[in-house]
Amino acid sequence: KAGVTQTPRYLIKTRGQQVTLSCSPISGHRSVSWYQQTPGQGLQFLFEYFSETQRNKGNFPGRFSGRQFSNSRSEMNVSTLELGDSALYLCASSLERSDTEAFFGQGTRLTVV
Amino acid sequence: EDKVVQSPLSLVVHEGDTVTLNCSYEVTNFRSLLWYKQEKKAPTFLFMLTSSGIEKKSGRLSSILDKKELFSILNITATQTGDSAVYLCAMAYTGTASKLTFGTGTRLQVTL
Repeated sequence: KAGVTQTPRYLIKTRGQQVTLSCSPISGHRSVSWYQQTPGQGLQFLFEYFSETQRNKGNFPGRFSGRQFSNSRSEMNVSTLELGDSALYLCASSLERSDTEAFFGQGTRLTVV
Repeated sequence: EDKVVQSPLSLVVHEGDTVTLNCSYEVTNFRSLLWYKQEKKAPTFLFMLTSSGIEKKSGRLSSILDKKELFSILNITATQTGDSAVYLCAMAYTGTASKLTFGTGTRLQVTL
């Protein structure tokens, strides 16, 4: 079955702009999480969505937001981009079970100039 | 504050060697520990460990969890150049399936 699909794969934006990233989870998976990966901080949790509701949020400013649609697809938005937002943004999907594991997409490489 | 610490940070070995990667943790509401392999972008799932002392094995890779001493090891035997990657350890919490706290990873390079 198809894996987690993230679009676009690469993105270059200017400081101050906003950006929207998309994630389609594995079919049947209802939970979607977003992570930011940078060389200095590693993989950091942004937020998690399940049934269109945000269930958990990491320690990121309010410029980072997301949503989930009824088909479990999720979008992440970053407003007023800063140079430090340059990173690989990874989406992971999982089933809602007690012993689930998360499967990651290929990520979106965002460069802010 | 929850912590996941991996060691060593990086490792260079020769093909055929056996390596042991370490992950220690201090987290509240621990549910499970996961190992991932990241070669280029997408971390790929290796193991999920929930119970102490039960070894999980997949080919040349194996892993075990010690919930008393709060650590896990990932063993790779007869390493191959294709094992070169960053190996990530992550914690999952009770009450949520997908919020993971990651360690900084161990970069493994396998040379000929």
